[in-house]
Amino acid sequence: AQSVTQLDSHVSVSEGTPVLLRCNYSSSYSPSLFWYVQHPNKGLQLLLKYTSAATLVKGINGFEAEFKKSETSFHLTKPSAHMSDAAEYFCVVTYPYRDDKIIFGKGTRLHILP
Amino acid sequence: DTGVSQDPRHKITKRGQNVTFRCDPISEHNRLYWYRQTLGQGPEFLTYFQNEAQLEKSRLLSDRFSAERPKGSFSTLEIQRTEQGDSAMYLCASSGGRNEQFFGPGTRLTVL
Repeated sequence: AQSVTQLDSHVSVSEGTPVLLRCNYSSSYSPSLFWYVQHPNKGLQLLLKYTSAATLVKGINGFEAEFKKSETSFHLTKPSAHMSDAAEYFCVVTYPYRDDKIIFGKGTRLHILP
Repeated sequence: DTGVSQDPRHKITKRGQNVTFRCDPISEHNRLYWYRQTLGQGPEFLTYFQNEAQLEKSRLLSDRFSAERPKGSFSTLEIQRTEQGDSAMYLCASSGGRNEQFFGPGTRLTVL
């Protein structure tokens, strides 16, 4: 079955330190992968997307993610956390050349410590 | 603002009542999606439209739920005989084909 797993439900980092949010997907088919961010009481905002072009994807607000087919991973990173990064992050997988199912991970809550 | 809009933003209703939500997608987008998000969970897919055709419905969409997109523009999601378990954030998103989805702010439903 097609699925996406966010390995951590909560991640806490100190301001100015690196961020790593982990995401693994499972499928034999070529996926499109996305990271969305959701701030409290706000809508989901696209951070970045992978759609079979460059495996290292740069997004907004200094975030980037690397698609690793051998590890079926699409981890989200940022070199230096900022207080404004505190939010819920969702990894999303779709299979546009298969069945177009859209699957959200359960989310990772990122806490930034002062 | 030409993003996705949803109305109302909040709805409080009593169990057993019917509610209807509206979503206005980005105008040139032909795909429109509905999701439900409960506290501490990621959005769960409910249904989607390509133009006016409803192409897929999740098993989550019971007989009490119905969605329409009559002219291929705005969409409505109706829940009949609401139950407390229907309390959630209902999200709408649109896309132009097989691209990223743009989400609206959501409608938060509370069933008392």
